[in-house]
Amino acid sequence: EIVMTQSPATLSVSPGERATLSCRASQSVSSNLAWYQQKPGQAPRLLIYGASTRATGLPARFSGSGSGTEFTLTVSSLQSEDFAVYYCQQYNDWPITFGQGTRLEIK
Amino acid sequence: EVQLVESGGGLVQPGGSLRLSCAASGFTVSSNYMSWVRQAPGKGLEWVSVIYSGGSTYYADSVKGRFTISRDNSKNTLYLQMNSLRAEDTAVYYCARDVTIDYWGQGTLVTVSS
Repeated sequence: EIVMTQSPATLSVSPGERATLSCRASQSVSSNLAWYQQKPGQAPRLLIYGASTRATGLPARFSGSGSGTEFTLTVSSLQSEDFAVYYCQQYNDWPITFGQGTRLEIK
Repeated sequence: EVQLVESGGGLVQPGGSLRLSCAASGFTVSSNYMSWVRQAPGKGLEWVSVIYSGGSTYYADSVKGRFTISRDNSKNTLYLQMNSLRAEDTAVYYCARDVTIDYWGQGTLVTVSS
């Protein structure tokens, strides 16, 4: 099973600043990596797939990068609605696995 | 409009069974990869099972041999039969489309407790 490790567990950032979230895979997943955002009481929302392709309607302030084992999600200028929990997910191999999540909180 | 509506959750005793349903609209279940993903209270996401458009199925080790994913093409509905339930199966279960999940259901809570 491919283990996905996200860092940091919690990230405190002020509105308007940049946030950088990391995700590491225990073995290569090529570019088969997605990012999701989840707010309390809601289902997750797809943000990025293929490591860097934005989902339909996603604001351009969200960007994804990386390949192989190291991936990054960047939010360039945080808005109030961006504070949430973010998960990475590999879909290169079964079982599909998620990271444990990064909580992005208001500083 | 794409919609996924789960039902069938509830309280069940350890060792019991439940069947979850996911009624889909706006697309054809049999033409897509369809999955169940769960989230224990206050925890992260865990992939449970997937059924490919061709009919192949896969399960997480934690549920293999106890859970069965299936679909009814005539009803455009996805199912998850859960047997021999354990306390650690307590979670919100989401029905989801594709492996890069662009659509999620609202979730149905399964509580396994005596």
